Amino acid sequence: QQKVQQSPESLTVSEGAMASLNCTFSDGTSNNFRWYRQHSAKGLEVLVSIFSDGEKEEGRFTAHLNRANLHVSLHIREPQPSDSAVYLCAVSLLPGTGSNRLTFGKGTKFSLIP
Amino acid sequence: GALVYQYPRRTICKSGTSMRMECQAVGFQATSVAWYRQSPQKTFELIALSTVNSAIKYEQNFTQEKFPISHPNLSFSSMTVLNAYLEDRGLYLCGARDWGGQNTLYFGAGTRLSVL
Repeated sequence: QQKVQQSPESLTVSEGAMASLNCTFSDGTSNNFRWYRQHSAKGLEVLVSIFSDGEKEEGRFTAHLNRANLHVSLHIREPQPSDSAVYLCAVSLLPGTGSNRLTFGKGTKFSLIP
Repeated sequence: GALVYQYPRRTICKSGTSMRMECQAVGFQATSVAWYRQSPQKTFELIALSTVNSAIKYEQNFTQEKFPISHPNLSFSSMTVLNAYLEDRGLYLCGARDWGGQNTLYFGAGTRLSVL
C-alpha cells in the first residue's frame, strides 16, 4: 500500500526567503504527483502537477521529481502572507496504468514571518 | 474554467441521523468523481471512486451501506452519510476528474460535517 510522507511537519520562513517542502512515496511505479494547498480547513487548490522526472514550474511554485529516489519536492519562491496554509503532497498512478487513487501525505503547515 | 461546487458547505446533524451532500462540476465533464474525508487531525482518506458507466469502488473501511453514492451524469454526484456518528465528523471533499483535459482532479471547497 502506498505510503506518502511529508517533511517538515511545519515550516516558518521570513518573507522573501525560498521555502522548500519535501515528500517521499513508497510505490516506485507512481507516475502522477500533485501539490495542493489547503487554507484553514477549506477545500484543496491544486498548485503543480508533475508526471516525469525533472522540474515543473507554475508561477512561484516549482515541483522537482526524482522517481528513483522516491522523492518530490515543492519550492515556493518569494513567499507571501497569502501562501500561509497547509501544503499537501498527493501521489497516484495515471489512468490506464492502475488505480486512480490519490494518496495524500499529512501535510506541511507553512507560515511566513512578516 | 473548471470548477467544482459542493453543497452544503457546513452541516450539523444529530447522532444517528443521515445527511446528503452534493457535488456539481461546472465547465467540464466529470467522468470520474472521488469522495474524500479529512477527519480531525488526519489527512485525506479516499472513501470511494465513482466512474460513469462503471461500478463505484469503495475503499477499505468504507461501504456503500454507510456512504451511498449517486453519479447519474457527467456533472453531478451526491453522497449520503447514513446514521452519522461522532467518528464521521470531518471535511468531505469531492474531486472530479476531467478526462478530456489534462486529467486534472478538481476539488470542491468541501462539506464540513459536525455531529452532535
